[in-house]
Amino acid sequence: RKEVEQDPGPFNVPEGATVAFNCTYSNSASQSFFWYRQDCRKEPKLLMSVYSSGNEDGRFTAQLNRASQYISLLIRDSKLSDSATYLCVGTLHRRNQGGKLIFGQGTELSVKP
Amino acid sequence: GAVVSQHPSWVICKSGTSVKIECRSLDFQATTMFWYRQFPKQSLMLMATSNEGSKATYEQGVEKDKFLINHASLTLSTLTVTSAHPEDSSFYICSASFETPYEQYFGPGTRLTVT
Repeated sequence: RKEVEQDPGPFNVPEGATVAFNCTYSNSASQSFFWYRQDCRKEPKLLMSVYSSGNEDGRFTAQLNRASQYISLLIRDSKLSDSATYLCVGTLHRRNQGGKLIFGQGTELSVKP
Repeated sequence: GAVVSQHPSWVICKSGTSVKIECRSLDFQATTMFWYRQFPKQSLMLMATSNEGSKATYEQGVEKDKFLINHASLTLSTLTVTSAHPEDSSFYICSASFETPYEQYFGPGTRLTVT
């Protein structure tokens, strides 16, 4: 089982739509979570951190449910420029090796005019 | 701030040759650098973690003799793919951190094609 799982999509939505991405993680020891955005042939860029209390950044809302080991990202009023792959990322602390990020496969979003 | 560069951005090489990829933190000193590989439509897979002046820690399944990592200074790490084969063709991305390994700054990536 993958440590971080996402629906790969693609999600094809019209401009202005609301779209939700889901992610599950298997390691209950993971402490922190993030959503990254990756454009084609580019490096991933941090979109936002995810907290149990939920957090919002403009049109983007992220939520973490530790009991269900479930993370979500909601994008409201989609723009053409939101087209990208969205990566769900967890963290793993390793006692003698330092921590690391664990990336999901990514969910591809395509926003159409 | 927190800019990471990679060089080259893309490279084509023949099977059997070696390729070196550089990763530099331009405006900060990176205590830790990470090397990832990403195949098309797949997630970033961590290959190894390196700290300045010490040996890199490789993830399970990554051959340390094939993927040589040198972290000579707090601003430079290199990954050398030795005796490259077509199956090594991939997108290699480095990242650097200084305060916490969970806050990583990514380089733009290097696209390697082995013919």
